[in-house]
Amino acid sequence: AQKVTQAQTEISVVEKEDVTLDCVYETRDTTYYLFWYKQPPSGELVFLIRRNSFDEQNEISGRYSWNFQKSTSSFNFTITASQVVDSAVYFCALSANFGNEKLTFGTGTRLTIIP
Amino acid sequence: GAVVSQHPSWVICKSGTSVKIECRSLDFQATTMFWYRQFPKQSLMLMATSNEGSKATYEQGVEKDKFLINHASLTLSTLTVTSAHPEDSSFYICSPWGGRPDTQYFGPGTRLTVL
Repeated sequence: AQKVTQAQTEISVVEKEDVTLDCVYETRDTTYYLFWYKQPPSGELVFLIRRNSFDEQNEISGRYSWNFQKSTSSFNFTITASQVVDSAVYFCALSANFGNEKLTFGTGTRLTIIP
Repeated sequence: GAVVSQHPSWVICKSGTSVKIECRSLDFQATTMFWYRQFPKQSLMLMATSNEGSKATYEQGVEKDKFLINHASLTLSTLTVTSAHPEDSSFYICSPWGGRPDTQYFGPGTRLTVL
């Protein structure tokens, strides 16, 4: 069975601070995919990143960066120089394959950026 | 622009009535449709998976006679909540898959409130 744990329920930081959202996963599959989604107050999920289990390179996209560590089954997400627009609920998710496969979501982390 | 639409975006109904939610993939053919449910301040949970032209497969604990899924075409899937009750109040999100290599898309969601 697959499981995704986001231990941080809520985080608040002051604008311009860096913040890291933790994600720990469990799976017996040798091949799997990890995702991060942002859910603003409107509710619509915004895709941020997909990473497959064979690619352990860290990735940076603007103020966003992701640290994938297979040894600790973690896929953490860092926002640098946070902005008020980053306030949202962030979900980490896992699937056995990419595409025609359901996603198992973590419980989400509610991030509030204080101006 | 949006590649997945849902209608309605929100609905309020009386207990005992049925509500139909439509999900359309706008620029690709969805061979598989995932329907998720998200209760307030909770994570997304998969309700059912349907393949075009086939009966849906429901997750454990989801009543197939209550949540009717129709996936009769490659661009449209519907979820009907029959005899809705207040405990069915939730945010319903569809996620079509049609072989696009870039991401797993999600619809904008339908917020159902049953009085």
